[in-house]
Amino acid sequence: GENVEQHPSTLSVQEGDSAVIKCTYSDSASNYFPWYKQELGKRPQLIIDIRSNVGEKKDQRIAVTLNKTAKHFSLHITETQPEDSAVYFCAARRSSNTGKLIFGQGTTLQVKP
Amino acid sequence: NAGVTQTPKFQVLKTGQSMTLQCAQDMNHEYMSWYRQDPGMGLRLIHYSVGAGITDQGEVPNGYNVSRSTTEDFPLRLLSAAPSQTSVYFCASSTTLLGANTEAFFGQGTRLTVV
Repeated sequence: GENVEQHPSTLSVQEGDSAVIKCTYSDSASNYFPWYKQELGKRPQLIIDIRSNVGEKKDQRIAVTLNKTAKHFSLHITETQPEDSAVYFCAARRSSNTGKLIFGQGTTLQVKP
Repeated sequence: NAGVTQTPKFQVLKTGQSMTLQCAQDMNHEYMSWYRQDPGMGLRLIHYSVGAGITDQGEVPNGYNVSRSTTEDFPLRLLSAAPSQTSVYFCASSTTLLGANTEAFFGQGTRLTVV
């Protein structure tokens, strides 16, 4: 079945440094890869997503890269700020929008001021 | 615009009791799903639905039932609660329209404790 592996489980960086979170997926039919941020006690919210016809996507300080051949994708956060501290989840979904959205295990990011 | 609404926010059950977690969305989304969140396990898919009258199992369906009689509502039923079902439950919805924004919108979550 579909599986998404996410690493690392925890990540601690100094304010201003970059943070990278990596995910691998098993289902080669997956073509939609969103990233969600969950602040403490809150619901997950979409921060960026990428589709398989694109190799990289940026939105201000965050970017996502996708390597379909290797079946892995990564989240990059530059110039980290304390408010970036949260749990981040990657996910993967099959071709049609009716496919199951499968999440990774999550990464707890701590940005130290 | 309410988005995705879950009730209740908190619930304590005794082992063996039954209950229904409610989920409603007002965005006319075809796709709805239930996840449970446990420490270190991420968000695991319990059941999902691609439209009224259609449901399917996710990664961890045992112990849970769902139905989808309307587009708006997708209740999750625990028939006989067990301590292993202590978790935070999230409902999510998204559109299935091709070319549309397929972002999954989450409810605020239900924290369930089974004693």
